[in-house]
Amino acid sequence: KNEVEQSPQNLTAQEGEFITINCSYSVGISALHWLQQHPGGGIVSLFMLSSGKKKHGRLIATINIQEKHSSLHITASHPRDSAVYICAQVGAGSYQLTFGKGTKLSVIP
Amino acid sequence: ETGVTQTPRHLVMGMTNKKSLKCEQHLGHNAMYWYKQSAKKPLELMFVYSLEERVENNSVPSRFSPECPNSSHLFLHLHTLQPEDSALYLCASSVLGPTGGYGYTFGSGTRLTVV
Repeated sequence: KNEVEQSPQNLTAQEGEFITINCSYSVGISALHWLQQHPGGGIVSLFMLSSGKKKHGRLIATINIQEKHSSLHITASHPRDSAVYICAQVGAGSYQLTFGKGTKLSVIP
Repeated sequence: ETGVTQTPRHLVMGMTNKKSLKCEQHLGHNAMYWYKQSAKKPLELMFVYSLEERVENNSVPSRFSPECPNSSHLFLHLHTLQPEDSALYLCASSVLGPTGGYGYTFGSGTRLTVV
């Protein structure tokens, strides 16, 4: 069964802290997505990774294909980073996204 | 706006009503998706359309009826829903090629409440 596991489920941080959210998956993939969902529902795609590391502003995403693991890091966290972060994988040769349950991040001023 | 527009943003309907959700994209994508997000559950795929043909129907009850009249528009027709169908319904689009899908773009969702 194709599963995506995220940890932690909930995370509270002080403004300025370095944050890490983890994602593990069980099958070979063609790509892994990190998504951000704000209250109200809309989802924004942050990264799509198939190998290595990507950086965008204060966000960094890494993936280890051999270990079937990805991490999302936020440096110098800010209250506006408060959202649910969702990991989703696309199976090799597939179009179907399999989603994790999400990590709810709250950054306190 | 992300490039995928969903309307309405919020919908309250009775169990005997008929309503439709609309999704529109002008990104040149050739695949469109409906996802359901229930409380405390991961996003679940409902339907996939590629070039206006349905390629996936993920065991969704017949009270949900999708329609894709062209590659830019996707509808979800709702009738005789149950309270447990209350959820966030998200539309997405992507490019779908021989090696899979990429460029996924999501709409803002429709928050549906069935009373």
